Amino acid sequence: QSVLTQPPSVSAAPGQKVTISCSGSSSNIENNYVSWYQQLPGTTPKLLIYDNDKRPSGIPDRFSGSKSGTSATLGITGLQTGDEADYFCGTWDGSLRGGVFGAGTKLTVL
Amino acid sequence: QLQLQESGPGLVKASETLSLTCNVSGASISSSPYYWGWIRQPPGKGLEWLGSSSHSGGTYYNPSLKSRLTMSVDTSKNQLSLRLTSVTTADTAVYYCARNYLPNIIFDAFDLWGQGTVVSVSS
Repeated sequence: QSVLTQPPSVSAAPGQKVTISCSGSSSNIENNYVSWYQQLPGTTPKLLIYDNDKRPSGIPDRFSGSKSGTSATLGITGLQTGDEADYFCGTWDGSLRGGVFGAGTKLTVL
Repeated sequence: QLQLQESGPGLVKASETLSLTCNVSGASISSSPYYWGWIRQPPGKGLEWLGSSSHSGGTYYNPSLKSRLTMSVDTSKNQLSLRLTSVTTADTAVYYCARNYLPNIIFDAFDLWGQGTVVSVSS
């Protein structure tokens, strides 16, 4: 059971927008930075978003992050078939005194 | 270019000790202000943070694994190491080493990952 709750799956058509939620608590998301990762099938996780809403160099602005209270959201616009992947959120949990990740959300681009 | 590469035994018997190393190339750990993490991913499941360490800032462990886990940084070999005792089939996973994106932060975001090493625990 993950400390952070993500929907198991989301889907949308090519060109559309999708959002993936990550729900936590005051001990993690509300008081710490959130990061998001993309894991294409059979590959290593790739950092998409750090510090809630910042993109590392090379990540297109189709990917965005936001946070409000105890929840964070990853947004992807202009969906492409190449975006089909698992997406994970992560943050620090002050009560557990450790890093935590969500269980992941599988994105299907129909 | 900074690269990380994990290595390990592949197969471990239950109750034994798992030892992994992560070779860091392209930068010196001893002059790096970053924390280096270990993360694992059981088959078909999500990511689990195991712990993070730096050459000067100490080591921080996942509380649920702390009693079985030892991580260290060897600056002479420029590598990280992980030791997990009394393994069970639940420890079967791909094990990754990764660098935290921002310096001097224990856990914020991991921007550089090794390719991962598969560990299977046999009963």
